[in-house]
Amino acid sequence: EVQLLESGGGLVQPGGSLRLSCAASGFTFSSYAMSWVRQAPGKGLEWVSAISGSGGSTYYADSVKGRFTISRDNSKNTLYLQMNSLRAEDTAVYYCAKEATSSPYPYWYFDLWGRGTLVTVSS
Amino acid sequence: DIQMTQSPSTLSASVGDRVTITCRASQSISSWLAWYQQKPGKAPKLLIYKASSLESGVPSRFSGSGSGTEFTLTISSLQPDDFATYYCQQYNSYLWTFGQGTKVEIK
Repeated sequence: EVQLLESGGGLVQPGGSLRLSCAASGFTFSSYAMSWVRQAPGKGLEWVSAISGSGGSTYYADSVKGRFTISRDNSKNTLYLQMNSLRAEDTAVYYCAKEATSSPYPYWYFDLWGRGTLVTVSS
Repeated sequence: DIQMTQSPSTLSASVGDRVTITCRASQSISSWLAWYQQKPGKAPKLLIYKASSLESGVPSRFSGSGSGTEFTLTISSLQPDDFATYYCQQYNSYLWTFGQGTKVEIK
């Protein structure tokens, strides 16, 4: 079955760290760019970070640049998001999303999404 | 950054109605636009890509049009399963950006 399954969310204090994981199955993981997209409670979708299929190119929203690091392990079919220096405004459901058609950068839209994992930053 | 603005923010409609949602880009994005549907507590679902191409498995009552800076998503005859929030997303350039969403409510 083609699916993405996120894990690693939880409650963390401001300034703390958390690592999210996204396990992929049912498709050739290394052939597709992957992204993290977040959604604050009651708000819209915000793209956070992306990584090419090989892992050689990474991209970040200004709001997380320097604090978050995206990576992937193609041997384990797993995407990661290391989140440091967390702030209250990082509170959101974090989705991993698969790029649809192995297109060259930047023509990436998303045809497969995980269920999301909730990150709450609060003291 | 390219800003995406959707209108309206909320739309009240009845089953069977024809519904149109507009998405405007702050600069030209050619046809590099996708539309998603999201229901409460669920992940977004891809409906339309490249402005007007219907994703496999999506009912034909959904259609998209436009190019450049102005785009529309049309539901030709609203069904009970269509009450949800809809988002546009540009993929013409990094940073990938979404519209703020349009909630389609039951009238």
